[in-house]
Order: sequence, then structure tokens, then C-alpha cells
Amino acid sequence: GAGVSQSPSNKVTEKGKDVELRCDPISGHTALYWYRQSLGQGLEFLIYFQGNSAPDKSGLPSDRFSAERTGGSVSTLTIQRTQQEDSAVYLCASSLNSRGDTQYFGPGTRLTVL
Amino acid sequence: GEDVEQSLFLSVREGDSSVINCTYTDSSSTYLYWYKQEPGAGLQLLTYIFSNMDMKQDQRLTVLLNKKDKHLSLRIADTQTGDSAIYFCAELAGNQFYFGTGTSLTVIP
Repeated sequence: GAGVSQSPSNKVTEKGKDVELRCDPISGHTALYWYRQSLGQGLEFLIYFQGNSAPDKSGLPSDRFSAERTGGSVSTLTIQRTQQEDSAVYLCASSLNSRGDTQYFGPGTRLTVL
Repeated sequence: GEDVEQSLFLSVREGDSSVINCTYTDSSSTYLYWYKQEPGAGLQLLTYIFSNMDMKQDQRLTVLLNKKDKHLSLRIADTQTGDSAIYFCAELAGNQFYFGTGTSLTVIP
């Protein structure tokens, strides 16, 4: 079946603007994750959704970052008032059930803030 | 978060073996993973090992785990140009995944 998809693949924005990044997980996967990959750094965990439970937002770097997951499927990561340090590749992953299950990653969205 | 460390770069000649190393800090890790990221693509799971194992082999890939030293390695036999990519190790500790910085493998023809 189809893998995890993300859109857009590339996003260039001006400092101070808001951006929305979209993730479509694998059908039937109840767990969804957002990560950020900055140049020369490892993956940084942002947020985790599991079914109808309250999301684990412990990785969000500031209150400018938020995420939603509607209907237990598609997720949107929103960054408000973008800053240059927000430039990174944002990766989404999904897994069948819990955090212990293997994660399958999307191709990522490359965000560049000018 | 936990520290997962990898060297940033590795170059090998085509046909040689590649060994990519990773160290981690959390002794309560349950699973350890190796992912491959090709240019412009997302992470692809290569293999994983349960923490009570010390070796796992899968075709050209061999994973070695030294739990005492918290050291994980990935050996790729007969490395091919198509193996050029960034390789990430990751650990599942408690309820959280922690990823290394990635090792960029360049295969020289």
C-alpha cells in the first residue's frame, strides 16, 4: 500500500509568516510522529499522536509550534511567525499502534525561512 | 534527551565492507534501529535488534550490539555505490525514540 506522504516537499517563506505542513500516514496506523532534522544534527522529536489520546507535545520547541490530527488520520504541523532557525526538514512518521512499533517515515518537507 | 552519537562521515571503496558505529547512553533501551536516508527521501528502516541480542544478520547487513559498552554497529558487506546514503541509529528507551546525528556514507567506485 501507499507509504507516508507529506506536502509540500519544499516550502520557502519569509520570516514572520505562518506555515502549515501536512502529513498523510499509512492507512490504519494509529500512531503519528513529527520530527525535525536540522543540518548536522540528529532527528529532534516534536510531537506524538496515539489514537484518541492527548498528544505528547513535550518536544515542541516553542508555543509558535502546534499540531493537529483530524479524524485520527491526516496531521498538520503549524509554525506561526516563522524564524530563520526554524529552517529544517520536517519529517512525519507513522506506526501501527504504539511507540514501540516500527516507524515508517515520509519524505519530509524542507522548510526554508528567509 | 538521551545522547546517541555517530561519526559524521565515512568513505569506503566499492566492494569493501563498511562499518558504521553508534554509541548511546540509556541502558534501558529495548530496541535499537538502523535507518537509511537517501538524498531527497525519508528514512527507511534497514534493520533492528532487540536489546537482549548481541548480533543480527540480514543478507549483507550485520548488526552488533555491545550492551555493556552501549555500542551498536552496522556492517555492510560488499558495499555498493547504491549504499551511499546517510545512516541513522536510533534507540527506543522507555517510551521515546532517540536518533543519532547520522553518518554520511560515501562509496567510491
